[in-house]
Amino acid sequence: QKEVEQDPGPLSVPEGAIVSLNCTYSNSAFQYFMWYRQYSRKGPELLMYTYSSGNKEDGRFTAQVDKSSKYISLFIRDSQPSDSATYLCAMTTSNFGNEKLTFGTGTRLTIIP
Amino acid sequence: DAEITQSPRHKITETGRQVTLACHQTWNHNNMFWYRQDLGHGLRLIHYSYGVQDTNKGEVSDGYSVSRSNTEDLPLTLESAASSQTSVYFCASSPGGQEKRFFGPGTRLTVL
Repeated sequence: QKEVEQDPGPLSVPEGAIVSLNCTYSNSAFQYFMWYRQYSRKGPELLMYTYSSGNKEDGRFTAQVDKSSKYISLFIRDSQPSDSATYLCAMTTSNFGNEKLTFGTGTRLTIIP
Repeated sequence: DAEITQSPRHKITETGRQVTLACHQTWNHNNMFWYRQDLGHGLRLIHYSYGVQDTNKGEVSDGYSVSRSNTEDLPLTLESAASSQTSVYFCASSPGGQEKRFFGPGTRLTVL
C-alpha cells in the first residue's frame, strides 16, 4: 500500500462547478500538507500549503486537512477552464530540512467551458 | 527574474550510453532536488543536495549520480542508461522548508 493515495481521474466538470480533489494517507506523522498544480508538459507549482488540521482559503481555493481521518481535500469554487491541470497532493513530517516530501500520483482535472 | 532551467528539454539516447541532464537555478537556493515522474508513481526523489559539495541519495537513486560544485547547478548523470530510466525528470530548488519548492520545466528522456 502506498503512503499517499490519490484518485488519478480523469475528472471532468463543467465551468463554474465546485471541484473536490482528495488524498488519503497512512503515515500519522505527516504534519505539513501541500497541493501542487501541474499544467501539461510543465513543472509542478505550489498552490496551497497547510500545517496540521484545519482549513486554509486562498481566493477560489480551499485546502482542508482532517488528520483524524488521514484525509486531505482541495476545493475549487467557480471552476475555470484555466484550472484544467493535474493536481498533486504532497506531505511531509517535518518542515526543517527534511528531504522526504511524499507525493500523490496526481488527479487530472478538465474544466469544460 | 530568478528562475530554474533544465536542459535539454527532450533527449533520446541508447541503452548503455552515459547521459547528463543539466539543472540551473538563479535564486541562490541552497537546496536542490532531482525527481522522476512516471504514470502510476507520481514524483519520486532521485538525489538531493543541501549545498556545495553535499549530495544525498533519494528513494530511487540506483543508476544515477549528482555532483554539486556551485550553488547554481546540480547536474544529474545516468551512468549507463537503461530503458527503465525512460521518464520525465524534474529539477527543483528551495531556500529551506518544504512549502517553497520550485520546479523546473522538466526533461523528457527516452532510452531506446
